[in-house]
Amino acid sequence: GAGVSQTPSNKVTEKGKYVELRCDPISGHTALYWYRQSLGQGPEFLIYFQGTGAADDSGLPNDRFFAVRPEGSVSTLKIQRTERGDSAVYLCASSLNRLGKVNEQFFGPGTRLTVL
Amino acid sequence: AQKVTQAQTEISVVEKEDVTLDCVYETRDTTYYLFWYKQPPSGELVFLIRRNSFDEQNEISGRYSWNFQKSTSSFNFTITASQVVDSAVYFCALLQETSGSRLTFGEGTQLTVNP
Repeated sequence: GAGVSQTPSNKVTEKGKYVELRCDPISGHTALYWYRQSLGQGPEFLIYFQGTGAADDSGLPNDRFFAVRPEGSVSTLKIQRTERGDSAVYLCASSLNRLGKVNEQFFGPGTRLTVL
Repeated sequence: AQKVTQAQTEISVVEKEDVTLDCVYETRDTTYYLFWYKQPPSGELVFLIRRNSFDEQNEISGRYSWNFQKSTSSFNFTITASQVVDSAVYFCALLQETSGSRLTFGEGTQLTVNP
């Protein structure tokens, strides 16, 4: 079946602009995660959705970052007033996580965001 | 606090050599999960294995094997008879039961297998 997909694959924007990054999880996966990966580092957690609600948003760096998942499937990560330090690869992952069981997270190809 | 340390930043081997990637973790939880992911040059993280803290049995999958030792808080990964296609960045990750579902990743080890 289809894996996690993310669009766009690359996004170049100017400092101060608003961007939206989209994630399509694996069909049937109830849990969705956003991570950010800077060059040469491991991914860092941003936010986790279980269904439509954000179960854990403690990884969002500040209030310029916001994410939604209105129908419990597709999610959008929104960044306002982008800064050069926001440049990174934004990774989305999904997992089954039914009945409180921990399942592996499957990752998408990422969106490379460059803020000029 | 939770932390994953992959002390080897880069490893270079010649094809057919065996190579072990080290992973040391820190957690105060008694229930936790450990993972290994592979990130090839294409960039997409590929899931390799998941272990829970109650299962210390080592696992072998083809040329891959994993050694989980709670006594040393380590979860090392060995590739036997390495191949050029094994060249990638490998990440070890930890999930603590008390931290919800977030993965905490190590810094990764860049493995280069030369022909």
